[in-house]
Amino acid sequence: AQSVTQPDIHITVSEGASLELRCNYSYGATPYLFWYVQSPGQGLQLLLKYFSGDTLVQGIKGFEAEFKRSQSSFNLRKPSVHWSDAAEYFCAVSPSGRRALTFGSGTRLQVQP
Amino acid sequence: DTAVSQTPKYLVTQMGNDKSIKCEQNLGHDTMYWYKQDSKKFLKIMFSYNNKELIINETVPNRFSPKSPDKAHLNLHINSLELGDSAVYFCASSQSLAGAARSEQYFGPGTRLTVT
Repeated sequence: AQSVTQPDIHITVSEGASLELRCNYSYGATPYLFWYVQSPGQGLQLLLKYFSGDTLVQGIKGFEAEFKRSQSSFNLRKPSVHWSDAAEYFCAVSPSGRRALTFGSGTRLQVQP
Repeated sequence: DTAVSQTPKYLVTQMGNDKSIKCEQNLGHDTMYWYKQDSKKFLKIMFSYNNKELIINETVPNRFSPKSPDKAHLNLHINSLELGDSAVYFCASSQSLAGAARSEQYFGPGTRLTVT
């Protein structure tokens, strides 16, 4: 069965600093990969997705992610964090042929002024 | 013009009661889902419907029964509520494409269920 690991439960960065959130997956083939963001008391918003092709994908709000097959990783990055980026971030995978998402446990991002 | 809406947003009820949560999407999607987010923020698929047909039914107690009257609606009925059912329940929808797994999912705002 596929699984997703987000090793960092909680990350704190200063506003304006760069950010990288880690995501590793376990699956036999290359799954479809997603990053979602959940602001407090809100639903999940899709930041970006990877299906195939260019391994560096751009998303909304200035986020990008890089797929590295050799490391089974799909890390999320942002060059300069804004206070409004404070939220919970979820990495998710969807194996080919199955529609449901398998989520990682999430990384909570705090932004210091 | 909310894409995926859920009602109610909050639901507080006592153990043993029966309750329903409703979900509607106006995106024209043909697949809908229910996810459960527990107190540790862990999200897990419960059910999925495609064109009103149940396609995913994870290990969920029989007390949970989804119903899809049409492609735009997916309701969740819960019988004999237990303390452990307290969670946030998210509805989502997506559109099947040539590759079933390619369509992204759009989530509703969630329903926070508290069982006392």
